[in-house]
Amino acid sequence: AQSVTQPDIHITVSEGASLELRCNYSYGATPYLFWYVQSPGQGLQLLLKYFSGDTLVQGIKGFEAEFKRSQSSFNLRKPSVHWSDAAEYFCARQGTGRRALTFGSGTRLQVQP
Amino acid sequence: NAGVTQTPKFQVLKTGQSMTLQCAQDMNHEYMSWYRQDPGMGLRLIHYSVGAGITDQGEVPNGYNVSRSTTEDFPLRLLSAAPSQTSVYFCASSYLTSGSTGELFFGEGSRLTVL
Repeated sequence: AQSVTQPDIHITVSEGASLELRCNYSYGATPYLFWYVQSPGQGLQLLLKYFSGDTLVQGIKGFEAEFKRSQSSFNLRKPSVHWSDAAEYFCARQGTGRRALTFGSGTRLQVQP
Repeated sequence: NAGVTQTPKFQVLKTGQSMTLQCAQDMNHEYMSWYRQDPGMGLRLIHYSVGAGITDQGEVPNGYNVSRSTTEDFPLRLLSAAPSQTSVYFCASSYLTSGSTGELFFGEGSRLTVL
């Protein structure tokens, strides 16, 4: 079965520091990959997505992610974190031809002043 | 822009009671789905629909029923609530047409507690 793994449950970074959130997906045909962000008490908002082409994708709020087939990874990065980035981040994959997403368990980001 | 609207936002039930979580979208999306979110488990798919009159089971369908009589609405029914159904429920929708990106649009969630 397709799966998505986010190995870090909780990450704390200082404001202004760089950020990398890890995501690994199970082996399969080139997946459609997503990163969503969830602020407390809110629904999920799409940050970025990868379907094909350039393996470095840019998203909203200054986030980017790099698809690495050899490592089955799709890590999310941001060069300088802002206090407003504190939230939970979910990596997800979609099987080809299907709309249902398989989500990772999420990474909660805390930002220290 | 309404997007995906879920009601109610909060609900407390007693074991054995029934209720319906409502979901409506105004984007003319063919695909609609229900997820539940539990701590440390991400979001898991309960049921989904690819159009009016068509529904199918997801990863965790037991204890839930759905129907899709219109394109806009996709209610989730709990026939006999159990404490294990305490969770936050999200409705999500997307286009299915060829060439669409398949991005899911989420509602704000419904927090359900079963005592």
